[in-house]
Amino acid sequence: AQSVAQPEDQVNVAEGNPLTVKCTYSVSGNPYLFWYVQYPNRGLQFLLKYITGDNLVKGSYGFEAEFNKSQTSFHLKKPSALVSDSALYFCAVRDVERTDKLIFGTGTRLQVFP
Amino acid sequence: GAVVSQHPSWVICKSGTSVKIECRSLDFQATTMFWYRQFPKQSLMLMATSNEGSKATYEQGVEKDKFLINHASLTLSTLTVTSAHPEDSSFYICSAIRLLSPQETQYFGPGTRLLVL
Repeated sequence: AQSVAQPEDQVNVAEGNPLTVKCTYSVSGNPYLFWYVQYPNRGLQFLLKYITGDNLVKGSYGFEAEFNKSQTSFHLKKPSALVSDSALYFCAVRDVERTDKLIFGTGTRLQVFP
Repeated sequence: GAVVSQHPSWVICKSGTSVKIECRSLDFQATTMFWYRQFPKQSLMLMATSNEGSKATYEQGVEKDKFLINHASLTLSTLTVTSAHPEDSSFYICSAIRLLSPQETQYFGPGTRLLVL
């Protein structure tokens, strides 16, 4: 069965510093991977996705993610964090058997301190 | 574009009553809509998938008689929590797939927080 793991419940970073939110996946075949962000009491907003092509995917709000097949990872990154980036981040993978279904990780709370 | 709304955003009800939550795609037609449930500090749990004009498909462990889903049009799906109990208190989020868009691209609503007293 496919799954994604987000090993960190929370990531703390100072404003202006680079940030990384980790995600590893387990999928048979080629993965379709996603990152979503959730602000308090809000639904999820799409950040970026990897389907094929370049391993470095650029997304919204200056975020990017690097697909690493050998390490089965899809870490989310940003060169310079903003306080407004503080939110809950979810990694997700598309279900192999049901292409309209997403399987989400448990989420990582990012806290950016001024 | 691709805005999904939910109504209400907050609802408090007494135990035993039923609550209806609406999910609308405001500027696009949605072939498929999904209903998720999110517990505090946990991930989203897919409850069911609904397609316009057909019965919803429920995930394993989700009671279809408890969580009634109606997808009456290409822009509206409703979730009714019947005979709600305190354990049904949660954050319910819907999402939609846009007609003629890649199936993996879901647009999420802002969520509805349900509190059952």
